[in-house]
Amino acid sequence: DVKVTQSSRYLVKRTGEKVFLECVQDMDHENMFWYRQDPGLGLRLIYFSYDVKMKEKGDIPEGYSVSREKKERFSLILESASTNQTSMYLCASSLSHSQLNYGYTFGSGTRLTVV
Amino acid sequence: AQKVTQAQTEISVVEKEDVTLDCVYETRDTTYYLFWYKQPPSGELVFLIRRNSFDEQNEISGRYSWNFQKSTSSFNFTITASQVVDSAVYFCALTDTTSGTYKYIFGTGTRLKVLA
Repeated sequence: DVKVTQSSRYLVKRTGEKVFLECVQDMDHENMFWYRQDPGLGLRLIYFSYDVKMKEKGDIPEGYSVSREKKERFSLILESASTNQTSMYLCASSLSHSQLNYGYTFGSGTRLTVV
Repeated sequence: AQKVTQAQTEISVVEKEDVTLDCVYETRDTTYYLFWYKQPPSGELVFLIRRNSFDEQNEISGRYSWNFQKSTSSFNFTITASQVVDSAVYFCALTDTTSGTYKYIFGTGTRLKVLA
C-alpha cells in the first residue's frame, strides 16, 4: 500500500516561530500536495509540486513556503507562525498527471496549534 | 469556475436508517473525475470511489451506493442501513485541470453522525 507519512500528529508552536511540517511518501509518486482543513471551509490547497525542486501556489499560499529537494519528501514551512495558522494540515500524493483518475493518498494529518 | 458544493453541513441519523449525502459540482471540463473520501475521527482521508464523466452508471458496493447524474451535475452518496462506524466527515472532490494544473477541488464536507 502507498503510504504517506506526516512527521507529527500534534504540534504546539509559539507565535513568530519558524515551523516545518514534513511529509514523506514511499511509492514514487510525482505529485505532492499540502492542504489545510478548517471547520466549514473544507480542504484548501496551499502548495503543490509535480516534480523535484518545482512548486506551484495553491489557493492560500500566503504565509507559507514549501521545499521539495527529493521526490519522496515535501515540506511545508511556516516562516513566522501566527495564530490564524492554527489548523489541521493534510499532505497528499498522487501518481502523475497522466493518471489524473488515480486519486490522492493522504497522510494522517498534523494538527498545529499556534499560541 | 470549478466548484464542489456539499450543502449539508451535518446530518444525524439513527442506526439502520438510510442516508444520502449530496454533492453538486460545476466544471468546464468535458472530461473529469469525481471522488468521495471518508475522514473518520482518526483524521486520515480514505478513498471510497471515483467516477469519470463518461460513465453514468450507478455504483453499489455493499451498503454504499453512488448516483451520478450529469444532467443535474450531481454525484450523491447513499449509505443503506447506516452503522455507528459510518460516523465521519465525507468529502466530495472534482478534478481541476484549469491553467494546466492537475489537482482536485474539495467540497466543504458533510459530517455524518450515526446514533446507536
